[in-house]
Amino acid sequence: KQEVTQIPAALSVPEGENLVLNCSFTDSAIYNLQWFRQDPGKGLTSLLLIQSSQREQTSGRLNASLDKSSGRSTLYIAASQPGDSATYLCAVRRYNAGNMLTFGGGTRLMVKP
Amino acid sequence: ETGVTQTPRHLVMGMTNKKSLKCEQHLGHNAMYWYKQSAKKPLELMFVYSLEERVENNSVPSRFSPECPNSSHLFLHLHTLQPEDSALYLCASSQDLGRVSLDTEAFFGQGTRLTVV
Repeated sequence: KQEVTQIPAALSVPEGENLVLNCSFTDSAIYNLQWFRQDPGKGLTSLLLIQSSQREQTSGRLNASLDKSSGRSTLYIAASQPGDSATYLCAVRRYNAGNMLTFGGGTRLMVKP
Repeated sequence: ETGVTQTPRHLVMGMTNKKSLKCEQHLGHNAMYWYKQSAKKPLELMFVYSLEERVENNSVPSRFSPECPNSSHLFLHLHTLQPEDSALYLCASSQDLGRVSLDTEAFFGQGTRLTVV
């Protein structure tokens, strides 16, 4: 059974810092991995999608990497801003089983002005 | 807005009530999903519909009953719920390309915050 773990569970940093969020998964047979952002009480906003054959994806100040063989992904946020405060979720899409996503527990990020 | 709309946004219901959650997607996708997000727990997949057929029921109690009348609409019918069913219920959609789904990206609605009293 696929299990996805995110550490740390919570993170508080001053504005301007570069930071790394970690995601690990137990079964490397995945189609792709998706990073989401969730604001309190809201739905999920897709940030980045990395295919299993890719090593990284970039969007603005966000960079996500994938090491499928070791079951790890990182989300790098450059020059953090208070508006980045949210919960960040990673999810892996199972291989050969349609499009079901297995989610990690999330990292709750607070960026202080 | 992500193209996936859920109504209502908030719902309070008693344990003997019957209510329904609605999800509509405007993205032309052929697969829709219900997820449950409880406090301090990862999102849990409840149901998957692909091409209007239910392809996964993730051991969900029968008091939750999904319905997918067409590829754009998904419902979750609720009856005789328990207080522990209080959670954020999220709908998602994606384009299911079968076994080869390399570019599939899931889009989520804003969720329905359900409180069972």
